[in-house]
Amino acid sequence: QVQLQESGPGLVKPSGTLSLTCAVSGGSISSSNLWNWVRQPPGKGLEWIGEIYHSGSTNYNPSLKTRVTMSIDKSKNQVSLKLRSVTAADTAIYYCARANVYYYDSSGYYYFDYWGQGSPVTVSS
Amino acid sequence: DIQMTQSPSSLSASVGDRVTITCRASQNINSYLNWYQQKPGQAPNLLIYAAFTLQSGVPSRFSGSGSGTDFTLTISSLQLEDFATYYCQQSYNTPYTFGQGTKLEIK
Repeated sequence: QVQLQESGPGLVKPSGTLSLTCAVSGGSISSSNLWNWVRQPPGKGLEWIGEIYHSGSTNYNPSLKTRVTMSIDKSKNQVSLKLRSVTAADTAIYYCARANVYYYDSSGYYYFDYWGQGSPVTVSS
Repeated sequence: DIQMTQSPSSLSASVGDRVTITCRASQNINSYLNWYQQKPGQAPNLLIYAAFTLQSGVPSRFSGSGSGTDFTLTISSLQLEDFATYYCQQSYNTPYTFGQGTKLEIK
């Protein structure tokens, strides 16, 4: 059973950098899956932040692209998220999620099948 | 970005009711549509992927249909544990986008 566990500071100052890690257990981070970050502001919906492949290649949401960096540490079986120049609008629960793929009729259908419990982050001075 | 619009935004229903939630994409996404359930204080939980494929372990009272731009999630007979918020999500292209959510409440 794959498990994901986010960790990091719960409070970040405005203009600072949000840093979170997602530890993966029960499976290798070097598998063919994509590792994603999704956030949810208080009382609001879900926003996809980006994804990273085990090779280290990344794909970010254009709305956050200039401020986001994702990385992978195979030795620790974990992925990391850094979000720079944060403001109060970045206050949210941050989830890591595994993207799996279902192949049908030569098409690959991606979906998030495992999620961490979420790491709440507040941006405030 | 592909915009996903769910309706209704909230819904009151009783145990045993049949419920349908609709999700509309701003462009054709074929069958690249997933559904998640989220309960308060918990992470989203995958229910259905590729529009109609039931995730392992999810009760068969949940079903999905649709393709192109219009999709539905149906719960055939509501159980107490089904009262939650439901989200659709397109995986046709990135950035992946979610609907705004449908909150299912007890009548």
